[in-house]
Amino acid sequence: GAGVSQSPRYKVAKRGQDVALRCDPISGHVSLFWYQQALGQGPEFLTYFQNEAQLDKSGLPSDRFFAERPEGSVSTLKIQRTQQEDSAVYLCASSLVRRGLGAGELFFGEGSRLTVL
Amino acid sequence: AQRVTQPEKLLSVFKGAPVELKCNYSYSGSPELFWYVQYSRQRLQLLLRHISRESIKGFTADLNKGETSFHLKKPFAQEEDSAMYYCALRASKIIFGSGTRLSIRP
Repeated sequence: GAGVSQSPRYKVAKRGQDVALRCDPISGHVSLFWYQQALGQGPEFLTYFQNEAQLDKSGLPSDRFFAERPEGSVSTLKIQRTQQEDSAVYLCASSLVRRGLGAGELFFGEGSRLTVL
Repeated sequence: AQRVTQPEKLLSVFKGAPVELKCNYSYSGSPELFWYVQYSRQRLQLLLRHISRESIKGFTADLNKGETSFHLKKPFAQEEDSAMYYCALRASKIIFGSGTRLSIRP
């Protein structure tokens, strides 16, 4: 596809269940970002990849959150032992340029809406 | 610490009236600033960036380093401008404000 693709679009999990959210960035995009957006809030930074390297994971809220991008394209955000406060829309964005080479535009996916019961 | 503040959750103006969406930032270095927009049932997308000094869909934004602001302006609002608007700052990472919902009344 032409844009960033995320799956699943909607996920309902029982508290304590593990979930995995997938992001397919635009082909050739070097940078990939994950954001968490709670209801009524702006996107909150979680983590950032440049190719397969995770360069910043300072926004991950706990060690239950883990992200990977093993081949520098598709990325997976995994949340272990989900809690109700994890309920949010998880946004993935990709960018053509590397950090520091000017203002790279972020291209967003439609998001994965996670509801933890 | 980096921070982006959008003080208004909701801004409602009549069609044809001027619009100003406020954005203030906190960053000790040289910032790169952006406005992103999310129209109903669409994904978040870039509206404009400060280094381009461009006007997109009639919107402009000027970086004021003295006031640490990057307000978004449009002289005459149109109904199709109704959307969520997010100010974003790129420093060590890209962070977003909490957003302002712009509602244009006919």
